[in-house]
Amino acid sequence: DAGVIQSPRHEVTEMGQEVTLRCKPISGHNSLFWYRQTMMRGLELLIYFNNNVPIDDSGMPEDRFSAKMPNASFSTLKIQPSEPRDSAVYFCASTPPGRYGYTFGSGTRLTVV
Amino acid sequence: AQSVTQPDIHITVSEGASLELRCNYSYGATPYLFWYVQSPGQGLQLLLKYFSGDTLVQGIKGFEAEFKRSQSSFNLRKPSVHWSDAAEYFCAVAFNDYKLSFGAGTTVTVRA
Repeated sequence: DAGVIQSPRHEVTEMGQEVTLRCKPISGHNSLFWYRQTMMRGLELLIYFNNNVPIDDSGMPEDRFSAKMPNASFSTLKIQPSEPRDSAVYFCASTPPGRYGYTFGSGTRLTVV
Repeated sequence: AQSVTQPDIHITVSEGASLELRCNYSYGATPYLFWYVQSPGQGLQLLLKYFSGDTLVQGIKGFEAEFKRSQSSFNLRKPSVHWSDAAEYFCAVAFNDYKLSFGAGTTVTVRA
């Protein structure tokens, strides 16, 4: 079991550029979550998918953020255009059907300059 | 409003000493309760969880937690801390859905 795989581990980009973060959940897990971690705000849930369908995106900060899950083994979080305040660590997590308690990926550290 | 509170931002403990991290929640009913640990530059690892039943829960790495309904608390403990336990610890809750709400975290420093 390779765990939840996120890429890239680190991303540095210039303000205004598009950024795409990727996540591969654990095989058989049907719920996927994107979180953002900052010093100021801690861990914030951005969006939650169940069976590839977005269930709750109320945490997505604004329209610059979008997330997709085209199939059970892949999800993306896109920021367009990126801003310095988007700098954070973005985590993806997944959980099996009917189970609570996530398995987290190692995160993507995003720096927007 | 639903909330998770970790009153201690930072705790320093000597190696071999006991450790207790506090967590309180504010919900209308008993939520599902979790403790996660995050080492620097790493993701979060699940230490233990409580859904129902025995209020004393055993987890990995020698940690345990006790659910106290009357105090709305779920405190994490370890009898003897090792230097490798230095990390940030997060309490989290879920209530009738799969979304976890996290506390602000407690950073543990272990001194030799």
